[in-house]
Amino acid sequence: EVQLVESGGDLVQPGRSLRLSCAASGFTFNDYDMHWVRQAPGKGLEWVSTISWHSGNIGYADSVKGRFTISRDNAKNSLYLQMNSVRPEDTALYYCAKDSDIVVPSPIEHWGQGTPVTVSS
Amino acid sequence: QLALTQSPSASASLGASVKLTCTLSSGHSDYAIAWHQQQPEKGPRYLMKVSSDGSHIKGDGIPDRFSGSSSGAERYLTISSLQSEDEADYYCQTWGTGIRVFGGGTKLTVL
Repeated sequence: EVQLVESGGDLVQPGRSLRLSCAASGFTFNDYDMHWVRQAPGKGLEWVSTISWHSGNIGYADSVKGRFTISRDNAKNSLYLQMNSVRPEDTALYYCAKDSDIVVPSPIEHWGQGTPVTVSS
Repeated sequence: QLALTQSPSASASLGASVKLTCTLSSGHSDYAIAWHQQQPEKGPRYLMKVSSDGSHIKGDGIPDRFSGSSSGAERYLTISSLQSEDEADYYCQTWGTGIRVFGGGTKLTVL
């Protein structure tokens, strides 16, 4: 059974940093593109960042580009999101997500339960 | 620019059918999309992939009441025999190398 378990969400002051983690199990982690998707309170799903299975292709939403960094450790079956210079508009539930197909970009098929991030002074 | 457009809301009666629409941006009419369901206070759940030829591949455990289809740049999700638990937000999503895109979501109300 695929499991994606996020952690690291917290209350953080504007301008500070936070690191989110996602522990993956139940599949061959290094075969799949992985993603961070967020959902602000009462709003829709917003793609944040993607990292390919080999870490060679990385993408960011314009809203986080230059502030957030996605990474993965295939030996530890883990995905990370380093969030720097956070803003109140980064307040959201952050989901870790996995593609459906190995090696190639494909639909998101599995979701974690999310970790909450609140940016406030 | 790759983008998806959805109507903000839809409604249909219990036991009836409803067809939700997701429209791909100009120049991207050959893209496949995925549909995701998010019930109140729950995380998203993958429903299916819908290709440009109208074929669809459903996720594990998705009831036969859910189906997908296509026409041009539009991708559809049809839910038949609506049940109360189908009241949810429905998001379409597409993808490319290093990018994922979501539509704004459609809130479905079951009357």
